[in-house]
Amino acid sequence: AQSVTQLGSHVSVSEGALVLLRCNYSSSVPPYLFWYVQYPNQGLQLLLKYTTGATLVKGINGFEAEFKKSETSFHLTKPSAHMSDAAEYFCAVIPRGSGNTGKLIFGQGTTLQVKP
Amino acid sequence: DGGITQSPKYLFRKEGQNVTLSCEQNLNHDAMYWYRQDPGQGLRLIYYSQIVNDFQKGDIAEGYSVSREKKESFPLTVTSAQKNPTAFYLCASRDRQNTEAFFGQGTRLTVV
Repeated sequence: AQSVTQLGSHVSVSEGALVLLRCNYSSSVPPYLFWYVQYPNQGLQLLLKYTTGATLVKGINGFEAEFKKSETSFHLTKPSAHMSDAAEYFCAVIPRGSGNTGKLIFGQGTTLQVKP
Repeated sequence: DGGITQSPKYLFRKEGQNVTLSCEQNLNHDAMYWYRQDPGQGLRLIYYSQIVNDFQKGDIAEGYSVSREKKESFPLTVTSAQKNPTAFYLCASRDRQNTEAFFGQGTRLTVV
């Protein structure tokens, strides 16, 4: 069964530093790939997604992610962290193919802490 | 404004009681989903529906029930059979022509 692994349940960076959140998926056929952000007691907001085409995807709030098929990865980056980036981040996939029900499969989440 | 509305935001339940969480969307989406969120476990799928009057079990359906009588509504009932119902519940919807799912603001259920 498809699974999603986010390396590191907690990541701490200084304000202005590079943010790197890691995500790997398990399937041999690349799925649709997503990054969501969640602020405390809120729903999930889509940061970016990869479905097809260019493998470097730009999203909201200065985030971007690169799909690497050879590494089965979809890591999320931001060149310079802001205090407002502190939140929980989820990587998720939807398997491709017939019978696609749109069910998202989530990683365990990574809490990003930004230190002043 | 188009979106997904979940209510209530906070809900307290006594053991042995059934409770129903509301999810309404005005996005004209066909598909709707219920997820449960527990710390450190990500989100897990409870039930989903791709069309009115049809729904399917997700990965953790035991102790839950749903209905889909209207396109815009997908209520979730947490029954007394659910052994550990305290969690954050998120509803989502999706246009079947697109991959992106939109989420509500969630309901935090606490058993007291």
